[in-house]
Amino acid sequence: EAGVAQSPRYKIIEKRQSVAFWCNPISGHATLYWYQQILGQGPKLLIQFQNNGVVDDSQLPKDRFSAERLKGVDSTLKIQPAKLEDSAVYLCASSPGRAHLNTEAFFGQGTRLTVV
Amino acid sequence: AQRVTQPEKLLSVFKGAPVELKCNYSYSGSPELFWYVQYSRQRLQLLLRHISRESIKGFTADLNKGETSFHLKKPFAQEEDSAMYYCALRGYSSASKIIFGSGTRLSIRP
Repeated sequence: EAGVAQSPRYKIIEKRQSVAFWCNPISGHATLYWYQQILGQGPKLLIQFQNNGVVDDSQLPKDRFSAERLKGVDSTLKIQPAKLEDSAVYLCASSPGRAHLNTEAFFGQGTRLTVV
Repeated sequence: AQRVTQPEKLLSVFKGAPVELKCNYSYSGSPELFWYVQYSRQRLQLLLRHISRESIKGFTADLNKGETSFHLKKPFAQEEDSAMYYCALRGYSSASKIIFGSGTRLSIRP
């Protein structure tokens, strides 16, 4: 089966600019995650969708970050305006979403964002 | 608070030596535990989960609820095991989030 697709792979922007990342999860997967991975750290969950509803966005900096999952399939993550500390790899993952079954998360290759 | 702790940032062992990557967790309840691996230039992928009780690529991990640990072990390291390893946990509801540790880089010396 096709994996989780993310674009772009790399992005360099100046601080205070805006940027958007796109994710296409595995077909049929109900749960979609966006993680932020700063160099030398583990992935940190930003937001989790169950179909097109938000399940957890407790660590999303809502003053600058936003995310949506239209029709419960593709998702976009936006940063506006970007700060230097937003430089990181942004990972999208999806899982079937059924409790106790198939709880593995499948990851995309990530988008490496550099803010200068 | 939910937390995953991997105390070692880097673990370097010789080929053929035993490997143990440590993972401790904090969670109210009984979580599901995972080990994910990221090889060079590849995406993060699942290595094994505790409920499967299986050995993958020679690796095993036993959940110790008393010590709240889920250490990853392999008796004889191979060069292709060099990678970043992340321990992770998840609750049992369908809405539970997956929390990752900070990762351990395993380097196998020839």
